[in-house]
Amino acid sequence: RKEVEQDPGPFNVPEGATVAFNCTYSNSASQSFFWYRQDCRKEPKLLMSVYSSGNEDGRFTAQLNRASQYISLLIRDSKLSDSATYLCVARFSGGYNKLIFGAGTRLAVHP
Amino acid sequence: NAGVTQTPKFRVLKTGQSMTLLCAQDMNHEYMYWYRQDPGMGLRLIHYSVGEGTTAKGEVPDGYNVSRLKKQNFLLGLESAAPSQTSVYFCASSFPDGASYEQYFGPGTRLTVT
Repeated sequence: RKEVEQDPGPFNVPEGATVAFNCTYSNSASQSFFWYRQDCRKEPKLLMSVYSSGNEDGRFTAQLNRASQYISLLIRDSKLSDSATYLCVARFSGGYNKLIFGAGTRLAVHP
Repeated sequence: NAGVTQTPKFRVLKTGQSMTLLCAQDMNHEYMYWYRQDPGMGLRLIHYSVGEGTTAKGEVPDGYNVSRLKKQNFLLGLESAAPSQTSVYFCASSFPDGASYEQYFGPGTRLTVT
C-alpha cells in the first residue's frame, strides 16, 4: 500500500466550479502535510500547508483529519490557470525533512 | 537569485553509458535531495544530503551515486545506465528541520535510456 494515496483523476470541471481533492495517508507518524502544485512538465511548487484546524488561502482551503488519516483540498471558483496536478505530501521527522509524495491528482478546468 | 538549477535539461543515453546530473542552489540551503518521478508514481527519493561532504541513501538508491563537495552543489551519477532509469529527475533543497519545511525544486532533467 502506498504511504500517501490520491485519486489520479483527471477532474474535468468548468470555470467557476468548486472541486475537492482527497488524500489518505497510512503512516500515523506523519508530522505535517502539504499540497504542492505541479504544472505540466514543470517542477512541483508548494501551494499550502495543511493544519488540523483547517487553513484557507484565497480560493483554496485545506483540511486535515488525523483520526481518519485524511487530507483534503477545496478549490472554489476554479480558474483556467488552476489546471495542474496537485500533489499531497506528508512530512516526517528524522533529520532530513523527509517528504513522501502522493502520485498526484490532475485537474483540468475548461471554459 | 536563480533558486535551484539543473543541468542538463534533457539527455538520451544508451544502456551502459554513464552520466552526471548537476544541481546547484543559491539559497544557502543545508539540505539537498535527488528525486525521480515516473508516471503514476509520486516523487521518490534517491539520495539526500544534510550538509557539505555528507550524503545518504533514500528510498531508491540502487544504480545511483551522489556527491556534495560544495554546499551549493549536489551531483547525481549514473555509472551504467539501464532502461529502468528512464525518468524525470528533480533536485530539491531546503533549510534544516525546524526551520521552513518547504523544499524548492529545480526544473528537472528528462533522461531517456535506450
